[in-house]
Amino acid sequence: DTAVSQTPKYLVTQMGNDKSIKCEQNLGHDTMYWYKQDSKKFLKIMFSYNNKELIINETVPNRFSPKSPDKAHLNLHINSLELGDSAVYFCASSYFRASDTQYFGPGTRLTVL
Amino acid sequence: AQTVTQSQPEMSVQEAETVTLSCTYDTSENNYYLFWYKQPPSRQMILVIRQEAYKQQNATENRFSVNFQKAAKSFSLKISDSQLGDTAMYFCAFMQGGSEKLVFGKGTKLTVNP
Repeated sequence: DTAVSQTPKYLVTQMGNDKSIKCEQNLGHDTMYWYKQDSKKFLKIMFSYNNKELIINETVPNRFSPKSPDKAHLNLHINSLELGDSAVYFCASSYFRASDTQYFGPGTRLTVL
Repeated sequence: AQTVTQSQPEMSVQEAETVTLSCTYDTSENNYYLFWYKQPPSRQMILVIRQEAYKQQNATENRFSVNFQKAAKSFSLKISDSQLGDTAMYFCAFMQGGSEKLVFGKGTKLTVNP
């Protein structure tokens, strides 16, 4: 059983396009996250949602918009894609306010041409 | 702001030997948590070990153990009896107590040679 899943695993697109990445977790967690891993492998948090409420919003261009339809899903929509958006995007989940361990999805490699 | 430093960009070890990966962090807080994650070539981020700062005892998970030195703000990972499957990027991460934000180091690329 997949705990945290992401679709798609690979995404290749042209500059200026709009794309979405979907994330689902079946661990019963109430908090979900998006992280970005750049070409040098550095991981940085972008957003976090708890029960559909945004709780962490790092300095991210407003072309990135997370959406959480329910606590088991967190999607990431990116408008007007730029070359610099090329990265691996990881979804993660955990329990809220428990300094709980975060469990990661398999990642989505986004390539912007 | 908390920072995490991994001073070894790359390391290698022979199969069956022991290797230690270094991590230091900077915080003024007393309540925090530390983690080691492994990222093999498959790209999946896998939790290796977790340490609560309030616990004096070093965490262990099978062949993986940590040396947590709170005063020195050091959190090294020891891998015993290294296996080929241990080849991966290893990331040290910090979380302040009550926060949901993981702060990662830049990673150490470990290669286990046969």
